[in-house]
Amino acid sequence: DVKVTQSSRYLVKRTGEKVFLECVQDMDHENMFWYRQDPGLGLRLIYFSYDVKMKEKGDIPEGYSVSREKKERFSLILESASTNQTSMYLCASSLPGTGQETQYFGPGTRLLVL
Amino acid sequence: GENVEQHPSTLSVQEGDSAVIKCTYSDSASNYFPWYKQELGKGPQLIIDIRSNVGEKKDQRIAVTLNKTAKHFSLHITETQPEDSAVYFCAASTGGSYIPTFGRGTSLIVHP
Repeated sequence: DVKVTQSSRYLVKRTGEKVFLECVQDMDHENMFWYRQDPGLGLRLIYFSYDVKMKEKGDIPEGYSVSREKKERFSLILESASTNQTSMYLCASSLPGTGQETQYFGPGTRLLVL
Repeated sequence: GENVEQHPSTLSVQEGDSAVIKCTYSDSASNYFPWYKQELGKGPQLIIDIRSNVGEKKDQRIAVTLNKTAKHFSLHITETQPEDSAVYFCAASTGGSYIPTFGRGTSLIVHP
């Protein structure tokens, strides 16, 4: 079974802090994604990566950056956390290629910025 | 880009009833339509998907239908059970992209 783990289930940070959210997948997937989930807004794509050291902006990249130094690990960075970044953050991974589109999600990190 | 609309946002049914969730999409090039179920405290998990060359697909109590002409697809759950209570997301993507556009989700509540 594919397993996607996220470093924290809950985080509380102060405004202006630098925040790191870590995601690790154990199935050698090329594609990795960071989403933000807010009530009534569904899943919105922040950044994604097709390969090591490669990153592409999603729909809402402002205020976020990412890092993918190893294939299995994809980190989301909030350079200076703000209260409007309080949200649930979901990481996902998938394989490339038609027939492989299934995304495998981690359990999520609920971030509260005070 | 693709836009996916999902309705209703909340659906409340009695155990044993059927539930239907509907989605529309805007990009005629979309050809892959997955449905994800998110239980409380967990990440979304794929429950069924359909490709544009198929009109209907079933897996036990769940089924998905696709109408390419009208650009809409639906999830049907029969004989609902309390464990079906969850948030359901539809999505659409094109074969070359592998990046789905998600609907806003439907919270399904099944009352015992």
